[in-house]
Amino acid sequence: DVKVTQSSRYLVKRTGEKVFLECVQDMDHENMFWYRQDPGLGLRLIYFSYDVKMKEKGDIPEGYSVSREKKERFSLILESASTNQTSMYLCASSRSDGYTFGSGTRLTVV
Amino acid sequence: QQPVQSPQAVILREGEDAVINCSSSKALYSVHWYRQKHGEAPVFLMILLKGGEQKGHEKISASFNEKKQQSSLYLTASQLSYSGTYFCGTVTGGGNKLTFGTGTQLKVEL
Repeated sequence: DVKVTQSSRYLVKRTGEKVFLECVQDMDHENMFWYRQDPGLGLRLIYFSYDVKMKEKGDIPEGYSVSREKKERFSLILESASTNQTSMYLCASSRSDGYTFGSGTRLTVV
Repeated sequence: QQPVQSPQAVILREGEDAVINCSSSKALYSVHWYRQKHGEAPVFLMILLKGGEQKGHEKISASFNEKKQQSSLYLTASQLSYSGTYFCGTVTGGGNKLTFGTGTQLKVEL
């Protein structure tokens, strides 16, 4: 089974902190994605990557950056956390078909 | 732009059927369907590619009307285990980047 692992299930950070959310997949997938999920808004794409060192902005990239130094790892960075970034963050990977999602990180910014 | 899903919520008695619709304002390359149970990650159900096909997965099937830019998910003889939030995701350009709808909450009761 493909496994996508997100390093933290719950995270509480202070406003202004730099936050790193880590995601690792073990099936050699080229494509990796970061979404945030908020009630009533569904899943919205923040950033994605089709290859190592490659990144592209999704629909809501403001306030975020990403890093993909190795094929299996895709990190989401909140440069200066704000309260409106309180959300559930989901990482996903795929080859050419369906996505496999991680369990999510519920981030609270206080 | 996010695809529009309808209905937003539906309650069924066990054994009843349901249809969930997904409509896009853009031309579609493919449509994915996912189910998310409370507190869990979304799980891939099926993918439909350009060509107006229909796919099946146990008692859950889906159709894709490329001309109308729509897809429908059909759940027949619903079971308690079908409860959850269903999301469609659409690919409207090159690559494998999904834009998700806001979800349909489905509850199956005895």
